[in-house]
Amino acid sequence: GAVVSQHPSRVICKSGTSVKIECRSLDFQATTMFWYRQFPKQSLMLMATSNEGSKATYEQGVEKDKFLINHASLTLSTLTVTSAHPEDSSFYICSVRDWGSGELFFGEGSRLTVL
Amino acid sequence: EDQVTQSPEALRLQEGESSSLNCSYTVSGLRGLFWYRQDPGKGPEFLFTLYSAGEEKEKERLKATLTKKESFLHITAPKPEDSATYLCAVQAIGGATNKLIFGTGTLLAVQP
Repeated sequence: GAVVSQHPSRVICKSGTSVKIECRSLDFQATTMFWYRQFPKQSLMLMATSNEGSKATYEQGVEKDKFLINHASLTLSTLTVTSAHPEDSSFYICSVRDWGSGELFFGEGSRLTVL
Repeated sequence: EDQVTQSPEALRLQEGESSSLNCSYTVSGLRGLFWYRQDPGKGPEFLFTLYSAGEEKEKERLKATLTKKESFLHITAPKPEDSATYLCAVQAIGGATNKLIFGTGTLLAVQP
C-alpha cells in the first residue's frame, strides 16, 4: 500500500491566490520530508527539505516566501504556494525517506495549474 | 558539478524485444544510484538502489547494473505494462544527505 499520501492530486486556481498541498507519511514517523517539483519533460528538482518542528531548508533559487513549508507533526508536511502565477504551474511531489532501508518513497504528486 | 544524463529520451519496443536504458553520471563521490519508475501523472515508484561498481540487482524483467561512470537498466522480454518513464538519480558523498539528483528519464513504450 501507499507509504506517502498527497492531497489534492489536482488543483486549478486563479493567478494571485494561494494553494496548500498536504503530504502525509502513512507508515512511519518522518522528522524530514522532501518537496520536489517536476516540469514537463524535465527532471525532478528538489525544492526544499521540510524539518519537523523547525524551519525548512530551501534549495538555491527557491523562494522561501513564495513556497511556505510547515512540518507541524511527524506525519504531516504542507507546501503552500503563495500568490500563485502561471509559471508556478507544475507537478509537486513530496517524499519521505525510510532511514532503516534508505529507500525514498514518493507521494502521488499534485498537479497545480494556475490560470 | 554533479550531473545525471539518461539515454535514450524515448524508446519504443515490441513486446518481447529486450533492450537497455542508460544512465551516465558525474559525481565527486557516489553514495548511491537509484532507479525509479514513473507512470503518467503519478509519483515515482522505487525500483533499485545500487551502491558500488559491479553491483547488480534484479526484479522480475528488470535488471540494474552499475559501473564507475554509468548504470544500465536492462529490460528482458518487456510487456506493455512495463511502459512508463524510468528515472535514474544519484546521491553524492559529501552533498546534502537527502538530496537526489535526477536525470530527465527515458520514456519507454512497449507495443503488443
